[in-house]
Amino acid sequence: SQQGEEDPQALSIQEGENATMNCSYKTSINNLQWYRQNSGRGLVHLILIRSNEREKHSGRLRVTLDTSKKSSSLLITASRAADTASYFCATDLLGGGADGLTFGKGTHLIIQP
Amino acid sequence: DSGVTQTPKHLITATGQRVTLRCSPRSGDLSVYWYQQSLDQGLQFLIQYYNGEERAKGNILERFSAQQFPDLHSELNLSSLELGDSALYFCASSGQVEGYEQYFGPGTRLTVT
Repeated sequence: SQQGEEDPQALSIQEGENATMNCSYKTSINNLQWYRQNSGRGLVHLILIRSNEREKHSGRLRVTLDTSKKSSSLLITASRAADTASYFCATDLLGGGADGLTFGKGTHLIIQP
Repeated sequence: DSGVTQTPKHLITATGQRVTLRCSPRSGDLSVYWYQQSLDQGLQFLIQYYNGEERAKGNILERFSAQQFPDLHSELNLSSLELGDSALYFCASSGQVEGYEQYFGPGTRLTVT
């Protein structure tokens, strides 16, 4: 079953604009991660935010985490054509040693030049 | 380049057959994960190995099995293949048992005809 659900499923914006994607999850987590996937290729880790953190930045990326709402958002500022990809949030379950990531279905982001 | 390698890149085989997918983790990473990505199921965690031992199981079918060898490379064996097994199979590695980012290989695209 899907733990994380991204919203929207697809997003098309103009180059230079900001892109915001949201993720909701169901159970308690240790951390939440965002990954990017270019068409048919391997996933690339973008950023990890721990359950005791509320916001994290990495370059043009800003991630927030609200554990009370079980939600996270990924903001990409000043988007570029190269940002066109699918973005996934992934969670690992709290404790238990089972650390396979559970992914949402992803947000497909298209940056129009 | 994540440092994780997978072979082969593409595999086409017939129903009922058996195949082996191979993964070499990043140098020094002890954890290896296998994921399946299909259009209908999305990205699903299959199984994790840590330093040669099975660590966690996800949605792995009984027809599938995996192992991690002393040199830390891993193999995923898929048997009695069905059309529905057609998917991208990713291997990922991390340096920790749990709670850290995972580095994904480029994937093996399996087509069952």
